[in-house]
Amino acid sequence: NAGVTQTPKFRILKIGQSMTLQCTQDMNHNYMYWYRQDPGMGLKLIYYSVGAGITDKGEVPNGYNVSRSTTEDFPLRLELAAPSQTSVYFCASSYVTGGEAFFGQGTRLTVV
Amino acid sequence: EDKVVQSPLSLVVHEGDTVTLNCSYEVTNFRSLLWYKQEKKAPTFLFMLTSSGIEKKSGRLSSILDKKELFSILNITATQTGDSAIYLCAVEARTGNQFYFGTGTSLTVIP
Repeated sequence: NAGVTQTPKFRILKIGQSMTLQCTQDMNHNYMYWYRQDPGMGLKLIYYSVGAGITDKGEVPNGYNVSRSTTEDFPLRLELAAPSQTSVYFCASSYVTGGEAFFGQGTRLTVV
Repeated sequence: EDKVVQSPLSLVVHEGDTVTLNCSYEVTNFRSLLWYKQEKKAPTFLFMLTSSGIEKKSGRLSSILDKKELFSILNITATQTGDSAIYLCAVEARTGNQFYFGTGTSLTVIP
């Protein structure tokens, strides 16, 4: 049972570099989410998607972009990395809104 | 501004103790409240609550929602060291499919 798979697990970026965090789910879930978790701050929603081709901003979208070309994949793009984007990023998916969300194992990103 | 507040921020108890974790919220167009347990990595789902006064129970864990007073509690009885984790409360709003998470309660159970 793969569930939600995120890659990479760890990454160090230099200021101004770009990268894509990958997220794939094999549960045929319509809803997918990207969160960041900072120490002592809880999870903050970056972007979400309610289905292929449909994305929308969450609480903290600045500095990020997403796309949803397939049901399975929901990559998160950082165009110009900044130290403020140092965080742990979680991808999650759910079959219906309001239902149980399944989380990936997280990506720990450090921007130096 | 929508927000979810959890208390206490951290808690240290001995094995066998009973703990109550609190979650209060102010979220426009409430749809559901969810509890998660986060150990080293990803949060794992515990409960989803949508109706007031109906207790959800799973083993030693139970939770209840009060939509009038806008809070939920998570009870853990006869705590074990394996219960040590951060417990997250999240509230989903009907508009925007957004979940608002609290900062979590860090529970440490010592033998």
